[in-house]
Amino acid sequence: GAVVSQHPSRVICKSGTSVKIECRSLDFQATTMFWYRQFPKKSLMLMATSNEGSKATYEQGVEKDKFLINHASLTLSTLTVTSAHPEDSSFYICSASNTGELFFGEGSRLTVL
Amino acid sequence: GEDVEQSLFLSVREGDSSVINCTYTDSSSTYLYWYKQEPGAGLQLLTYIFSNMDMKQDQRLTVLLNKKDKHLSLRIADTQTGDSAIYFCAERNQAGTALIFGKGTTLSVSS
Repeated sequence: GAVVSQHPSRVICKSGTSVKIECRSLDFQATTMFWYRQFPKKSLMLMATSNEGSKATYEQGVEKDKFLINHASLTLSTLTVTSAHPEDSSFYICSASNTGELFFGEGSRLTVL
Repeated sequence: GEDVEQSLFLSVREGDSSVINCTYTDSSSTYLYWYKQEPGAGLQLLTYIFSNMDMKQDQRLTVLLNKKDKHLSLRIADTQTGDSAIYFCAERNQAGTALIFGKGTTLSVSS
């Protein structure tokens, strides 16, 4: 099946720094990728829809300036958590669509100290 | 907007059947999904059902859909310890471009 790779799988950073998470579709082109955040009590929240070559569509309540999304090519979308704070610590998961089916990355665990 | 609800915990004994329930709000959902997440891992698609179906069976998994009540269930027959995980129910959003997830049901299987 199609493979979606996220990098890094785990990152620890200091408060106030910015962190970039990459999401790559390895064997297919994805015009649309999605970013989710999983909170400690397990709920999975859609943050934004990333469209290749255009601006991302953010869900209500998600800060655009805080979570910068760039979909530079058909196989790569990046999520940058800017000026990270401890409350941004979470598990971030991306997914990419191939002919309608969604494939998920393994997730990136961000810990902000 | 769309919303998906599921119970948070389920505990069963090995060999028993497990039934995980889910309710959703968007009656226009065309596909409904069940995902499994093992500790520290990403989401794994278990099965999905098209909205014009009432039931879908795949080996030990049976999905039942009651579209009138907007109720979806996942039955795991002969539950094994390896089935212990978090199970997420999901529906497509109205635009049809993303999935809306429930909070997940933690299934604990004891031997």
